[in-house]
Amino acid sequence: KAGVTQTPRYLIKTRGQQVTLSCSPISGHRSVSWYQQTPGQGLQFLFEYFSETQRNKGNFPGRFSGRQFSNSRSEMNVSTLELGDSALYLCASSWGQGGETQYFGPGTRLLVL
Amino acid sequence: QKEVEQDPGPLSVPEGAIVSLNCTYSNSAFQYFMWYRQYSRKGPELLMYTYSSGNKEDGRFTAQVDKSSKYISLFIRDSQPSDSATYLCAMSGGSNTDKLIFGTGTRLQVFP
Repeated sequence: KAGVTQTPRYLIKTRGQQVTLSCSPISGHRSVSWYQQTPGQGLQFLFEYFSETQRNKGNFPGRFSGRQFSNSRSEMNVSTLELGDSALYLCASSWGQGGETQYFGPGTRLLVL
Repeated sequence: QKEVEQDPGPLSVPEGAIVSLNCTYSNSAFQYFMWYRQYSRKGPELLMYTYSSGNKEDGRFTAQVDKSSKYISLFIRDSQPSDSATYLCAMSGGSNTDKLIFGTGTRLQVFP
């Protein structure tokens, strides 16, 4: 079974631009969660989508948004990029039931100059 | 106070040593506990999954949960250089809307 895939793997942007990252979950998984990982803050939860609806949200500004499509693929968008948005963005998929494990993709490494 | 506390390390041990990695937590509603391993420039991969209190063993890895003390541990026996990675603990309650809460990760280096 194919794992979680994320595209692109690496991205360089400049301040003020916007970026869209994509995640394809494991086949059959209906939940996709997004995380930001930085050396200083660790893994921080952005949001979770389940069956095309945002089910949970972390404490990030409105510049961070996401969506999920009917095939469970998900995208996240960051508008008006700031230097501090440089990070590894990870998505994780699961069936969507409480207490279950999440399976991570390889991440998209974003560098904002 | 963070919900999950984990010593960031780094922890440096010789090959063959027994490694103990730990997390403490404050939310008594947590019932599901996981350990992930993350190699440099990769996504985290699930290592161990336990429910409620007790021990679980898988090869060289043993996960322990002590809910009364709000303390979880991961033991690695006969550590290998290939175990060098960052280890993240994660936990959640049982509801569909519960987030998975991660520790900040402990960096482990096993030297030959």
